[in-house]
Amino acid sequence: GQQVMQIPQYQHVQEGEDFTTYCNSSTTLSNIQWYKQRPGGHPVFLIQLVKSGEVKKQKRLTFQFGEAKKNSSLHITATQTTDVGTYFCAYNQGGKLIFGQGTELSVKP
Amino acid sequence: NAGVMQNPRHLVRRRGQEARLRCSPMKGHSHVYWYRQLPEEGLKFMVYLQKENIIDESGMPKERFSAEFPKEGPSILRIQQVVRGDSAAYFCASSSGTGTSGEQFFGPGTRLTVL
Repeated sequence: GQQVMQIPQYQHVQEGEDFTTYCNSSTTLSNIQWYKQRPGGHPVFLIQLVKSGEVKKQKRLTFQFGEAKKNSSLHITATQTTDVGTYFCAYNQGGKLIFGQGTELSVKP
Repeated sequence: NAGVMQNPRHLVRRRGQEARLRCSPMKGHSHVYWYRQLPEEGLKFMVYLQKENIIDESGMPKERFSAEFPKEGPSILRIQQVVRGDSAAYFCASSSGTGTSGEQFFGPGTRLTVL
């Protein structure tokens, strides 16, 4: 079945630096969702993108869906220690979510 | 409005025992999903249920695992004759509508440890 590849697996940044995680698929996706999971916690929905070339912003977070709907990115500007966690992309296939491997973000104060 | 509830939060079983994990979806949600997260790995879909129906069980292991979502009461994920490889976090999620789009709300998970 379809898979989404997510990179990088880990990212260590200094507080205040920017962070980006990328999600890629070999086939066109009808939608892409992003979730955040804090250490020891559960996934929390951040956003869903469905349109080609769509860009959405939530404060310091910017989400993009590629023109070909085969890739997506999450960019965090000026990271804070509260941004620590694992960020997953996922797409909804008939109800079930297919997740990328996740990018674990650590932020050094 | 309570979120998705799961219990127990932590469960310890010895090899060969049975594990029963419960999930109560958010109020008004009729779609329930179970996911498994192995240590240091991502989330893997297991099963998608609506009331009294299994919609998609393509992620369920063929043996020892079963799930139900009865007309009354919580959804149950049952693992028979547990083995060490079953140790993982099991998350339940729920959604409203058709379930084919939109966010899923996750519960806090059940951390299963098999000794």
